[in-house]
Amino acid sequence: AQTVTQSQPEMSVQEAETVTLSCTYDTSESDYYLFWYKQPPSRQMILVIRQEAYKQQNATENRFSVNFQKAAKSFSLKISDSQLGDAAMYFCAYYNAGNMLTFGGGTRLMVKP
Amino acid sequence: DADVTQTPRNRITKTGKRIMLECSQTKGHDRMYWYRQDPGLGLRLIYYSFDVKDINKGEISDGYSVSRQAQAKFSLSLESAIPNQTALYFCATSDPSGFETQYFGPGTRLLVL
Repeated sequence: AQTVTQSQPEMSVQEAETVTLSCTYDTSESDYYLFWYKQPPSRQMILVIRQEAYKQQNATENRFSVNFQKAAKSFSLKISDSQLGDAAMYFCAYYNAGNMLTFGGGTRLMVKP
Repeated sequence: DADVTQTPRNRITKTGKRIMLECSQTKGHDRMYWYRQDPGLGLRLIYYSFDVKDINKGEISDGYSVSRQAQAKFSLSLESAIPNQTALYFCATSDPSGFETQYFGPGTRLLVL
């Protein structure tokens, strides 16, 4: 079974600074998708960014970007110019055909003004 | 209007009661899912459905049942609620042509006394 590991239970960043959240996963598949979801205090699960494993180019969405290292099975999320509204739980997730979406345990991000 | 809605948003019930959580979507997706989130943890899959005639068990289906009444509606039932089913429940939808991205409802917070 696939596993997704987020080794940082909590992270803290100063407003306007950059922070990187880590995620590693275990799979024997070559074709899959990786996601970062944000869960603010409202508890809504919000898609932040998505990466297709067949793409070598790292995905970017405005202030959010990923560092996808396929050989190392690593998928980190970088948040630039952190804002107070970025404070939330962040979940890394893995999906491939034949398996369901598997979530990591989450990282709580705190943003200090 | 929200694309994925869940009712109720909050529910308190007693041990042994039967309850139903409902999910509706206007995204036109065939695939629907029910997840459970326990405090401090990621989401775990309870059941999923790839179309109206397709129902599949997920990682933690014991004690739960589902009904796919239509493409847009997917209900989760707890036949006899127990306290360790106290959790946050999410419904989600996806479109396989959309890179397997799942879109989540706002969640239902369930407390079983």
